Amino acid sequence: QKEVEQNSGPLSVPEGAIASLNCTYSDRGSQSFFWYRQYSGKSPELIMSIYSNGDKEDGRFTAQLNKASQYVSLLIRDSQPSDSATYLCAVNIWSNYQLIWGAGTKLIIKP
Amino acid sequence: DAGVIQSPRHEVTEMGQEVTLRCKPISGHDYLFWYRQTMMRGLELLIYFNNNVPIDDSGMPEDRFSAKMPNASFSTLKIQPSEPRDSAVYFCASSPQGSQPQHFGDGTRLSIL
Repeated sequence: QKEVEQNSGPLSVPEGAIASLNCTYSDRGSQSFFWYRQYSGKSPELIMSIYSNGDKEDGRFTAQLNKASQYVSLLIRDSQPSDSATYLCAVNIWSNYQLIWGAGTKLIIKP
Repeated sequence: DAGVIQSPRHEVTEMGQEVTLRCKPISGHDYLFWYRQTMMRGLELLIYFNNNVPIDDSGMPEDRFSAKMPNASFSTLKIQPSEPRDSAVYFCASSPQGSQPQHFGDGTRLSIL
């Protein structure tokens, strides 16, 4: 059973601090990794994708991938109240092109 | 560019009625995915298509659910007969290739009374 695990939260972070979201996956054949943000009542929105080991930065967001440890994380610097949402980790296995989804971590940024 | 377009945005109907959800993927995207999301079960893949052909429908809960993709720009998800436990938000998503990110529509919020 291919699985993606996330802490459901809620994760509470003060405004301006760094929010750190974590995700582990079970299938070593995983090749593509995505972070989606979902506001309440809205659809998932892609915010980061990462395909190789290391860090990838985009504005205030940094995705980190460690395939040896089967671990992917998302860092949000200078957290804003507008970052409050549920963050979904998704992992793509090329054998069938499905995304395996985590249950999501609810992030709350406190002003 | 237009994103994934779903209709209707909201649907309220009585148990036993037929429900049809519609999706127009992003032009040029070869993959189309139907998902269902509930608080209890999270995001569940129901079925996905590649070049209009259904590839994996193992997530379709039962025979009451069916999906079609008659052409590259249109797909439907049908529930007949509907039951209260089908109440959920149904999302359609598309991607240019299987390994690339999926882009979601706004979803259809379905309530079966």
